[in-house]
Amino acid sequence: LAKTTQPISMDSYEGQEVNITCSHNNIATNDYITWYQQFPSQGPRFIIQGYKTKVTNEVASLFIPADRKSSTLSLPRVSLSDTAVYYCLPSPGGTSYGKLTFGQGTILTVHP
Amino acid sequence: NAGVMQNPRHLVRRRGQEARLRCSPMKGHSHVYWYRQLPEEGLKFMVYLQKENIIDESGMPKERFSAEFPKEGPSILRIQQVVRGDSAAYFCASSRGGQETQYFGPGTRLLVL
Repeated sequence: LAKTTQPISMDSYEGQEVNITCSHNNIATNDYITWYQQFPSQGPRFIIQGYKTKVTNEVASLFIPADRKSSTLSLPRVSLSDTAVYYCLPSPGGTSYGKLTFGQGTILTVHP
Repeated sequence: NAGVMQNPRHLVRRRGQEARLRCSPMKGHSHVYWYRQLPEEGLKFMVYLQKENIIDESGMPKERFSAEFPKEGPSILRIQQVVRGDSAAYFCASSRGGQETQYFGPGTRLLVL
């Protein structure tokens, strides 16, 4: 099972772009990379998912290089409400079933 | 389109009592997963179910815990004879298929006195 490594915490200010990088050296060929956001006392919320190159949606962008050993979640122009824990995790895309393995995540704090 | 529903949102039990947590998946989803989050820790997988079948229960404690997802009605996570160490947030997620994106509910916070 691919192990992921993320910074424990990050600080930013309103209006800045935030990039959170996750390393996953042993990711399986068929696995996707999925990012979730979790606020205190709430369930994880799906943000974005990708396999290779770049994926963008209305919330974030996800950059995955060709070797797929890392990925970077990019949050444009963060606001105070983006303060949360962000989890990067491989999600089975092959024949294995969808048991997700959450790590410690990155605590992002956005300051005014 | 309603998301994953869980109830109750908060549950208080005394040691030795039973706790029943319910999860209704999103419309069109037939795969349900239960996770537990202890205070100050990440989510840990407990069990994966499809309608009337347990697919993977490798994360569930062998004793006192059971889960079901009947043909009709919500999925239920049952904890018998609760102990203080069972106090945690229990999250349910659902997906269309075992390899598809999981969407999480708001969780049930269990407090054992």
